[in-house]
Amino acid sequence: GESVGLHLPTLSVQEGDNSIINCAYSNSASDYFIWYKQESGKGPQFIIDIRSNMDKRQGQRVTVLLNKTVKHLSLQIAATQPGDSAVYFCAENPNTDKLIFGTGTRLQVFP
Amino acid sequence: ETGVTQSPTHLIKTRGQQVTLRCSSQSGHNTVSWYQQALGQGPQFIFQYYREEENGRGNFPPRFSGLQFPNYSSELNVNALELDDSALYLCASSLSQGYDYEQYFGPGTRLTVT
Repeated sequence: GESVGLHLPTLSVQEGDNSIINCAYSNSASDYFIWYKQESGKGPQFIIDIRSNMDKRQGQRVTVLLNKTVKHLSLQIAATQPGDSAVYFCAENPNTDKLIFGTGTRLQVFP
Repeated sequence: ETGVTQSPTHLIKTRGQQVTLRCSSQSGHNTVSWYQQALGQGPQFIFQYYREEENGRGNFPPRFSGLQFPNYSSELNVNALELDDSALYLCASSLSQGYDYEQYFGPGTRLTVT
């Protein structure tokens, strides 16, 4: 497959460990946030979203934390698996028609 | 896998040429957004179409244009191609133009301009 990004920040974790991917967003007016996973050669895949009236939301093996005070978003993946290897993007929406994506973090899972 | 499809998968064009990329939205979705993703970067919003009209535009020149058809499929047209237009072009569909409706992305079209 084709690489999504060649010089992205990289997080390397051992299979079974928990992963934490961080993101700083830019617009204090943003009130909707999404985490996407992008595997090589594919489009971004929705993982989990959170609205600004929440500070935590949990899904299956994933948790998103939102700190509006410092404009920080994080994605926690529990019991990381080889299939979690991908580039992860946070995206914000300041109540407009477009998503604003961050630069992405590459997650590498090793056995 | 989402129900969003894009064609072609890959395309090679020469500087100055024109290109048309196509997107079929997920069933029931009336809104299509287009993004450009350069290598190593996050997707950048180009524009959005809702019920066949442009509903918002990012920081892209007028040589980037689009269409949405009655069946909600969409085209992205780029005229006078430049080398910097080389990128992955992503289409995303959603149920509505509202800001908090989940956008489902297609696999993208990889455009190379030589």
